[in-house]
Amino acid sequence: DAKTTQPTSMDCAEGRAANLPCNHSTISGNEYVYWYRQIHSQGPQYIIHGLKNNETNEMASLIITEDRKSSTLILPHATLRDTAVYYCIVRSKNYGGSQGNLIFGKGTKLSVKP
Amino acid sequence: SAVISQKPSRDICQRGTSLTIQCQVDSQVTMMFWYRQQPGQSLTLIATANQGSEATYESGFVIDKFPISRPNLTFSTLTVSNMSPEDSSIYLCSAPGQGFSEGTQYFGPGTRLTVL
Repeated sequence: DAKTTQPTSMDCAEGRAANLPCNHSTISGNEYVYWYRQIHSQGPQYIIHGLKNNETNEMASLIITEDRKSSTLILPHATLRDTAVYYCIVRSKNYGGSQGNLIFGKGTKLSVKP
Repeated sequence: SAVISQKPSRDICQRGTSLTIQCQVDSQVTMMFWYRQQPGQSLTLIATANQGSEATYESGFVIDKFPISRPNLTFSTLTVSNMSPEDSSIYLCSAPGQGFSEGTQYFGPGTRLTVL
């Protein structure tokens, strides 16, 4: 089973910030939080990842709570092209054994509306 | 980031036949991954393919049904054997990022398979 919990779906108005929550209460000390998204009929796309500090790149910001049990992905100005399924995944950076595999849950289906 | 291509992008096949899907990465990678995404579902890992060794299959997937080749560090194939309509899915290959991107995975565009 996936080690994260996400809402099934969310709506966001175009141009507004989209805040996607994720619970990962059983995260261990060496596990990172990764976010991917899958636009319809495409392969998953890496967005951002972090360990404990907040992270920002050209696509999004990642806010991780101090206890690391939850995080929020922020798309600061959502566009229609951001409509996709967003997956929150926790895993270690090492690919040894089962720790390294990406385990995809059901994700959050984000619909950006005009 | 790694650029990954797959061939074919889609195919329609008859029951009982086999299809081989090719995956090409634009850089050398030790590990490659094959996933299946059934209609309306999330991704499920089929196997991990290391160059120079047998692929490691996840529970529920066997080599006779999904044989994998990994002849070099930039290429892999997945064969879906003796297909049935239940094999209709999107099949995706993936490779890990290197250096600065360590720990991330990059995905190909997928192969959409329909079995009649």
